Amino acid sequence: AQSVAQPEDQVNVAEGNPLTVKCTYSVSGNPYLFWYVQYPNRGLQFLLKYITGDNLVKGSYGFEAEFNKSQTSFHLKKPSALVSDSALYFCAVRDSVRYNQGGKLIFGQGTELSVKP
Amino acid sequence: DVKVTQSSRYLVKRTGEKVFLECVQDMDHENMFWYRQDPGLGLRLIYFSYDVKMKEKGDIPEGYSVSREKKERFSLILESASTNQTSMYLCASRDRGQETQYFGPGTRLLVL
Repeated sequence: AQSVAQPEDQVNVAEGNPLTVKCTYSVSGNPYLFWYVQYPNRGLQFLLKYITGDNLVKGSYGFEAEFNKSQTSFHLKKPSALVSDSALYFCAVRDSVRYNQGGKLIFGQGTELSVKP
Repeated sequence: DVKVTQSSRYLVKRTGEKVFLECVQDMDHENMFWYRQDPGLGLRLIYFSYDVKMKEKGDIPEGYSVSREKKERFSLILESASTNQTSMYLCASRDRGQETQYFGPGTRLLVL
């Protein structure tokens, strides 16, 4: 079965320190992977995606993610965290089995990132 | 920029009421989606539409229906609201041939 796992419900980081939000996936075929961020009482905002090419993907707000095929991971990273990065982060993978169903995304359960001053 | 709007940010309804949630996108996208978001469960797909008047069930369609009479508008209908439908509802759209989905701000529904 296709799935996405975010093993940490919450990640706490001090401002200025590097941050990592973990994501692993299980799909058949080549994965299309995404990260979205949700600020309080807001919808989801697209951060970045991996479709093909370079394993290190750069996205919005200084975030990047590393695709690792052997470990089936797509961890989100930022070299220096800001208090304003505090939000809920979702990893998602495109459903490759039901490819024609409009591009359905399978989401992880979300990771709450808290950055303290 | 893509803009996806939802008719209400917050709604309070009574059990048994018929509830309409509206979503409008301004980028002529073919595909539109309705998700519900619950703590610890992430987002789960309720229904999606790949063209006007076309719809497909997602993972949790029970208790919901949808309508897409115009390309820019996708409505989610709760025929008879129940307390277990209290949730955050998110609409998204995607252009055919592109991979990224764009989300609206969400509607937080409370069913009493």
